Amino acid sequence: DAKTTQPTSMDCAEGRAANLPCNHSTISGNEYVYWYRQIHSQGPQYIIHGLKNNETNEMASLIITEDRKSSTLILPHATLRDTAVYYCIVISRNAGNMLTFGGGTRLMVKP
Amino acid sequence: DTAVSQTPKYLVTQMGNDKSIKCEQNLGHDTMYWYKQDSKKFLKIMFSYNNKELIINETVPNRFSPKSPDKAHLNLHINSLELGDSAVYFCASSLLAATGELFFGEGSRLTVL
Repeated sequence: DAKTTQPTSMDCAEGRAANLPCNHSTISGNEYVYWYRQIHSQGPQYIIHGLKNNETNEMASLIITEDRKSSTLILPHATLRDTAVYYCIVISRNAGNMLTFGGGTRLMVKP
Repeated sequence: DTAVSQTPKYLVTQMGNDKSIKCEQNLGHDTMYWYKQDSKKFLKIMFSYNNKELIINETVPNRFSPKSPDKAHLNLHINSLELGDSAVYFCASSLLAATGELFFGEGSRLTVL
């Protein structure tokens, strides 16, 4: 599976959009981009995933560049409860259950 | 109702003991997993079961033995506990084996003294 690179940490003001980048320059054609987050002392939570088109759900939006080498997770109106570690994972659908979590980005939402 | 529930949430025990962590999911999912999160917070898959059959065993010592009595339950039994087994263990489930959308439990923190 392709490797991902994410900033170690980011800050965001409450109520503003949080834009979390992820670099996956070695992604192959059959690999999806998945985003999870882990709030302190809780289990990881699935957020969203995509292949090549932009995706939106009730939690977030996922923007994938045309060359698919990077993506951005957008939390449109961050709240204090969005403070968490966010993981970007690239994986082929056939190996979907072999999720490998890297270091992720620690997002701190500040009042 | 908790979708994926694990018990116990905390477990403190001595080296050499045998312990079990239980997991149940009420989502009707076919596939269940055990993940381990170590002190550096890296989360790694240990086992995956699909309809009570083992489909992934990721280089885990054979002191760890998962048991799936039915597809809603996946228990983790650990023999001869070692200091390095101290970690948070997460159970998860997914509707199908070939999906990256997993639902995780709240974790069971195991401390081996």
